[in-house]
Amino acid sequence: DAEITQSPRHKITETGRQVTLACHQTWNHNNMFWYRQDLGHGLRLIHYSYGVQDTNKGEVSDGYSVSRSNTEDLPLTLESAASSQTSVYFCASSVGLNYGYTFGSGTRLTVV
Amino acid sequence: QKEVEQDPGPLSVPEGAIVSLNCTYSNSAFQYFMWYRQYSRKGPELLMYTYSSGNKEDGRFTAQVDKSSKYISLFIRDSQPSDSATYLCAMSGGQNFVFGPGTRLSVLP
Repeated sequence: DAEITQSPRHKITETGRQVTLACHQTWNHNNMFWYRQDLGHGLRLIHYSYGVQDTNKGEVSDGYSVSRSNTEDLPLTLESAASSQTSVYFCASSVGLNYGYTFGSGTRLTVV
Repeated sequence: QKEVEQDPGPLSVPEGAIVSLNCTYSNSAFQYFMWYRQYSRKGPELLMYTYSSGNKEDGRFTAQVDKSSKYISLFIRDSQPSDSATYLCAMSGGQNFVFGPGTRLSVLP
């Protein structure tokens, strides 16, 4: 069965360290997204990609970067982790712009 | 004004009750409307997907869209404790895709 997987499920890191969260999907979806979810803010879009070599900034992209070298993967990098980036991160994919998203199970990141 | 508004709850109902969850929005370009269910410590999962105005039914769930009022609803009949989750509305149109903040629902046995 096709799926979207995120790793790790939980991560604790120190302020200032570089961290990469992995997202891998086997749906063959062109569109992939990274969101963070925080109490009181709901889901906020960090970065998104509409295909290989395409990346775009979302509403909360400062301090984050992504790269898309193949269809299956969209890793999210925190360049220098800050306590404000403690959150739950969700990766999602979709077949088209106006179609429903399929979400991963999330990565719970704590920056100490 | 936020693009999508949704009462955060929490909403507590007894088992068997009819639940009504709602979202209002401001962008008239939205054409596609979705409801997601998110269990604690899980990712959101797509529950209902509708295009333009009208109703869609799937088992105990009914989604309604009223584009003239910019108002969408999700009804859950014969609610079960397993329906306890956060429900997020979402909508899209053109290049824009927006999630509501979610309503936390508890169905008490």
